[in-house]
Formats: sequence, structure tokens, C-alpha cells
Amino acid sequence: NAGVTQTPKFQVLKTGQSMTLQCAQDMNHEYMSWYRQDPGMGLRLIHYSVGAGITDQGEVPNGYNVSRSTTEDFPLRLLSAAPSQTSVYFCATKPLAGRTYNEQFFGPGTRLTVL
Amino acid sequence: AQSVTQPDIHITVSEGASLELRCNYSYGATPYLFWYVQSPGQGLQLLLKYFSGDTLVQGIKGFEAEFKRSQSSFNLRKPSVHWSDAAEYFCAVEDSGAGSYQLTFGKGTKLSVIP
Repeated sequence: NAGVTQTPKFQVLKTGQSMTLQCAQDMNHEYMSWYRQDPGMGLRLIHYSVGAGITDQGEVPNGYNVSRSTTEDFPLRLLSAAPSQTSVYFCATKPLAGRTYNEQFFGPGTRLTVL
Repeated sequence: AQSVTQPDIHITVSEGASLELRCNYSYGATPYLFWYVQSPGQGLQLLLKYFSGDTLVQGIKGFEAEFKRSQSSFNLRKPSVHWSDAAEYFCAVEDSGAGSYQLTFGKGTKLSVIP
């Protein structure tokens, strides 16, 4: 049981390049989300999904796309990277079915630098 | 909109001393509250959570937190700090009503421990 995994751990991009950050989970959680963490800002929600085929925008969605074709995977796409997207990205999951009260489980993060 | 305030950016304590990290929240309904800990370069680990019921909640690593609705606070405490507790601590409130399950984080309190 690997929990929440994220790849890559580190990435350096040039402005304008595209890339996909991967998030996978083996806990069968319905809910998945992406946060970015910037110094002195805490974590902010980018996009989230409550199930396969369903996605929605969070607090800071601009510049990012997501899709959810399976329960297990929730990739985050940067179509044209900008220096302002330099950050640490965390994926989080949460079970929605069953018990009402559940916490969110975070992956180890991807540290992205855009030059 | 919900918000979380952690008034202390950086706290230094001696090993063996007691610790209290402050957290104030703003949320219209019954809050779901969390404390996470993050070591340098690592992901977020859940310390404890409050959903309902007993206002004093116990967590891992000897931490506890008390929910005080009248003060909109959820302060984290530990009676005796260990050097391994040095890390950054984040308080968060979940938006349980809008369907996004968004976690709003405070900006964090960095804890340093003097041997």
C-alpha cells in the first residue's frame, strides 16, 4: 500500500515549456486535489476532483489543467510554464464514501523550478 | 470566506519545555480543524484533527489541541518538546459545506528546539 505517490520529486523547466506532474493513489479515495506551497503563503488549492470524470477549479487555477480519467490518477498539467509557477506541489486525497469525517492524505510533493 | 491565522511565524523553545502554538480560524459553520507538521523538504503529516465531540483532541507524537468555539481557536500543545519536534506546523480548516473540501491553511509556525 503506497498511499499517495507523486512524480517527479524535482523538476526544472524553462519558461514556456510544458510538463505533467503525476499523482497516483492506491487507497480508492474518491477525492483528489492539487495544492501549491509558496514561502510564507501556506498551501493553496489549485484544482480538485470528487470522482472520475469530475474536476473543478480551486483558489489558484490559472495556468494549470487537470483531468481525472481513473480513480487512481490525477495529473496536473502546465501548458506553458512561467517563473510564477515555481513552487512545491502537493497532491492530496480523501475518502468521501462511508464515514463523514475523514482527513486528507498528502503526497511527498514535487519541487518545480521554472527558469 | 474561511481563513486561518497563525500569529507566530517562528518560535524557539528549549528541549523539555512545554509548547503552545496558536491558531485562530474564521468559518461560518462547524469547523473541521487540523494540525499538520512538515519537516524540511518533506510532505505534510497529520498530527491531529477535530470534527466534533470532545473539544480536547489527542494526536500523534504526544501532541494535543483544544477547540474553543467562543475564541475561534484551535491551539496545539505539547508538555515536553523533543529535539525531533523541530519542524514547521500548519493549522488548517476544511470547507465541508461547498463540496470542494478545500483546506485553508495558516502560513505556518516554524519551531526551533534548543538542545
